[in-house]
Amino acid sequence: DGGITQSPKYLFRKEGQNVTLSCEQNLNHDAMYWYRQDPGQGLRLIYYSQIVNDFQKGDIAEGYSVSREKKESFPLTVTSAQKNPTAFYLCASSAIQGLNEQFFGPGTRLTVL
Amino acid sequence: SQQGEEDPQALSIQEGENATMNCSYKTSINNLQWYRQNSGRGLVHLILIRSNEREKHSGRLRVTLDTSKKSSSLLITASRAADTASYFCATDDDDYKLSFGAGTTVTVRA
Repeated sequence: DGGITQSPKYLFRKEGQNVTLSCEQNLNHDAMYWYRQDPGQGLRLIYYSQIVNDFQKGDIAEGYSVSREKKESFPLTVTSAQKNPTAFYLCASSAIQGLNEQFFGPGTRLTVL
Repeated sequence: SQQGEEDPQALSIQEGENATMNCSYKTSINNLQWYRQNSGRGLVHLILIRSNEREKHSGRLRVTLDTSKKSSSLLITASRAADTASYFCATDDDDYKLSFGAGTTVTVRA
């Protein structure tokens, strides 16, 4: 059953804590992406990776970090430096060759207490 | 940066009616895509139109693209309650990134 998974679905964090959001895909896609979505708004790109061991900052990378040690996995860490981390986080993947149709995971809702 | 902007922000229609939403963008594109998002869920790809295409159909969906006006429209015909969702356009400029608009929220009333 091919797809992209994110965990956990809901995450609560105390101020000052780092948290890591998981994203895994078994679609054999080279590219993976992290987006942030705030209520009533579109998606803003945090980080993206086109190949293992390489990644680039998106439009709102400050306060976030990523790693891409395996093709299947692209975890996102929300650090304490992110001033307003409460949001819905979406991970996506796409094939490099092709028309860049992106496949999305179900999302993680992060709430800072 | 958000390149696409959808219009209207929200749309409420009766079941069976058609729903039309528009997307405008600023710079040249390789292709334009439309996605659907049900409340609290991830996005689902609906349809892609290349920059050299003017119209494309997929089931009850019809997409048009006017590159001279830098705009696209998505038409959903014979709407159903299950079409209630937010719809986003996304432009593919370059470098394998997509720029998403803020979306149109469609409510289909029974």
